[in-house]
Amino acid sequence: SAVISQKPSRDICQRGTSLTIQCQVDSQVTMMFWYRQQPGQSLTLIATANQGSEATYESGFVIDKFPISRPNLTFSTLTVSNMSPEDSSIYLCSVERDFHNNEQFFGPGTRLTVL
Amino acid sequence: DAKTTQPTSMDCAEGRAANLPCNHSTISGNEYVYWYRQIHSQGPQYIIHGLKNNETNEMASLIITEDRKSSTLILPHATLRDTAVYYCIVGYNFNKFYFGSGTKLNVKP
Repeated sequence: SAVISQKPSRDICQRGTSLTIQCQVDSQVTMMFWYRQQPGQSLTLIATANQGSEATYESGFVIDKFPISRPNLTFSTLTVSNMSPEDSSIYLCSVERDFHNNEQFFGPGTRLTVL
Repeated sequence: DAKTTQPTSMDCAEGRAANLPCNHSTISGNEYVYWYRQIHSQGPQYIIHGLKNNETNEMASLIITEDRKSSTLILPHATLRDTAVYYCIVGYNFNKFYFGSGTKLNVKP
């Protein structure tokens, strides 16, 4: 399995500000994904982060609101821009560890509260 | 969009087998069935996956019907620590995961 860390683990932010979440993996991986989990809900895929190209966003998510960087094969960032209370969620990154079986491993998540 | 349907919640007595069903009637020939669980809003934890054959590992067994339209995750001897939300997901290699609502398993003493 892959060891995945996220920073920060939690944060409380003011409306209108932005927060950048970091995801670090202990080995090189091809695919990285960002998910959002709103309170009491399931996980929703935000985007796929590919090294060397722009992220691919799911319906309902746009780059201006959730810019993503993927500078190398072990690291990615997700920024939540111009935050509102509706952005209060847990944000999780995941990586595809096994090429053949599409196994994904998840980070511990970043719990964001927007006041 | 999620391609699976699962019961919202299930109860299981501690020490008994927990059988969690999942329907995936639109599964394609090359799509795998994956099971994950999430405890207390931690990151989801991988349990098991399979394509056609039944699978077993140290955590659980996965039974896939012959037509592949449904599957069952079996925790052979549930403990209180198995209380979690269990997600059944279908997907291709390099495909994204679309989570359904999952099943909240309550293991009771």
